Amino acid sequence: KQEVTQIPAALSVPEGENLVLNCSFTDSAIYNLQWFRQDPGKGLTSLLLIQSSQREQTSGRLNASLDKSSGRSTLYIAASQPGDSATYLCAVKETGANNLFFGTGTRLTVIP
Amino acid sequence: GAGVSQSPSNKVTEKGKDVELRCDPISGHTALYWYRQSLGQGLEFLIYFQGNSAPDKSGLPSDRFSAERTGGSVSTLTIQRTQQEDSAVYLCASSLSATSGNTIYFGEGSWLTVV
Repeated sequence: KQEVTQIPAALSVPEGENLVLNCSFTDSAIYNLQWFRQDPGKGLTSLLLIQSSQREQTSGRLNASLDKSSGRSTLYIAASQPGDSATYLCAVKETGANNLFFGTGTRLTVIP
Repeated sequence: GAGVSQSPSNKVTEKGKDVELRCDPISGHTALYWYRQSLGQGLEFLIYFQGNSAPDKSGLPSDRFSAERTGGSVSTLTIQRTQQEDSAVYLCASSLSATSGNTIYFGEGSWLTVV
């Protein structure tokens, strides 16, 4: 069964720092990988979707990379802001499967 | 609609009662998912609908849980004889089509507390 791990579970950084969040998965036969953001008491907001044939995707200050062979993805956040404080979740969709497998997330706090 | 809509946003129920949670997906989205998120836990897949195909119920934790999707749009998740361990956030999501690898959009969830 696919297992998705996110380390660290929590991270605090001062405003303005660049940071990297990590996601690893055990089965490389994935269809795509998606990064989400979840604010307290809210649902999930999709940030970036990387198809299995892609190596990275960028949106504004966010850049997500995918290395299928090593079972890893990273989410890079440039010039962090207090508004970036949230829990970040990665999820993989396997080829031929209907559901997403989620990590337990990294809780990010950006200190003003 | 503009986004995935879920109701109720909060529900407190007594142990043993039945509850119904509703999800209204984004218009035109054929794929619909239900997930459960317990406190401090990751998201747990419950059930998946794609168009008029038979749903994938492989994630439903027990026969007290059921879901239906009428007319390929609105979905209802029903939990019968609720137990305290059913307390969680129930999240609904939709996408244009699961097979095309489209972005999945989530609602804000229904927070269920069983007392």
